[in-house]
Amino acid sequence: AQTVTQSQPEMSVQEAETVTLSCTYDTSESDYYLFWYKQPPSRQMILVIRQEAYKQQNATENRFSVNFQKAAKSFSLKISDSQLGDAAMYFCAYRSARRGGATNKLIFGTGTLLAVQP
Amino acid sequence: EAGVAQSPRYKIIEKRQSVAFWCNPISGHATLYWYQQILGQGPKLLIQFQNNGVVDDSQLPKDRFSAERLKGVDSTLKIQPAKLEDSAVYLCASSPGHLAPSTDTQYFGPGTRLTVL
Repeated sequence: AQTVTQSQPEMSVQEAETVTLSCTYDTSESDYYLFWYKQPPSRQMILVIRQEAYKQQNATENRFSVNFQKAAKSFSLKISDSQLGDAAMYFCAYRSARRGGATNKLIFGTGTLLAVQP
Repeated sequence: EAGVAQSPRYKIIEKRQSVAFWCNPISGHATLYWYQQILGQGPKLLIQFQNNGVVDDSQLPKDRFSAERLKGVDSTLKIQPAKLEDSAVYLCASSPGHLAPSTDTQYFGPGTRLTVL
């Protein structure tokens, strides 16, 4: 079974600085997707960024980028130029790439609570 | 485009009582998911529907939880009878369901926070 581990329960960053959130995962599959979701205090989960395992190039979305190390099964999220609105719980998630049905489910880590200091 | 709607947002009940949650997915989304998020943990899938059929309910405690998705649109999740350990946020998500897995993004609702006393 696949597992996702986030070893940093809480992180803090100064506004405008850069922070990196860590995530490791375990799987025997060769093709899969990895995600970072943001969950603000209102609790609506929002997709931040996704990475396809078959792509070597790290995904980037504006101030958010990932460092995907497939061999190490590591998937960290870097937030540049941190803003007050980035404060939230961040979840790393895994999904199998097999088509259809039960394999669409997301497997989440326990989350990292990010605080942004003004 | 309207997002995933859920109600109620909050619910407090006594143990052994029954409770029901409602979810309205994004229009046109074929796949609907119910996740349970216990405090301090990541969400865990309870059940996944494809249109009105169940494709994964392996982690649904079927002795007390039930879910349905009539007509392949709205869905209801029920707990009967509730236990203390059912206290959690129940998240509904939907996805188009007909796209390639790489683009079949799940969109989440705001959740229902259940407290069982």
